[in-house]
Amino acid sequence: QKEVEQNSGPLSVPEGAIASLNCTYSDRGSQSFFWYRQYSGKSPELIMSIYSNGDKEDGRFTAQLNKASQYVSLLIRDSQPSDSATYLCAVSGNTGKLIFGQGTTLQVKP
Amino acid sequence: SAVISQKPSRDICQRGTSLTIQCQVDSQVTMMFWYRQQPGQSLTLIATANQGSEATYESGFVIDKFPISRPNLTFSTLTVSNMSPEDSSIYLCSVEEENYEQYFGPGTRLTVT
Repeated sequence: QKEVEQNSGPLSVPEGAIASLNCTYSDRGSQSFFWYRQYSGKSPELIMSIYSNGDKEDGRFTAQLNKASQYVSLLIRDSQPSDSATYLCAVSGNTGKLIFGQGTTLQVKP
Repeated sequence: SAVISQKPSRDICQRGTSLTIQCQVDSQVTMMFWYRQQPGQSLTLIATANQGSEATYESGFVIDKFPISRPNLTFSTLTVSNMSPEDSSIYLCSVEEENYEQYFGPGTRLTVT
């Protein structure tokens, strides 16, 4: 079983729609959860971090964490073509070491 | 967040040779990491670069193949030794800031022929 799992996609949504990206993890001791955006040919860019159960909003992005279900999600509202990228879910315990999922490719169609 | 630079940005190397990648940060950081991203894949942690002591390697990575230096709190190097085509990847350094957030350098794209 992979430690951090994501659907590789591609996830295709029309411009203006809500994109929902999901991630599950296997280590119940995980404490920190991150979403990175990676454009083709570029390095990952941190867009959201979440540490406690519930929702965390930042602009058009909302991260959701459910530790009981070992589930993290990222919602992107009013999706734009510029949001088209690979989104990486990353999880860490208290050592700081990040374990990444395989990433979900998002395509936002005009 | 810290500004991170890497050199070289890309290189093409012959098998059997070695390449040293540099990572420079514009502020002092305690934790630095090295990752590999193989074509079409996600990121895999190679090692944690510890200042003043040997790096801590993840399973599947060994010091003889990937020696790491961390002479101070703003700089680290990763050497890819005795390269083979399977080492063709993007190599990324990252730094940890508050709340375990990690920020990545621009990466080094390595092609081994």
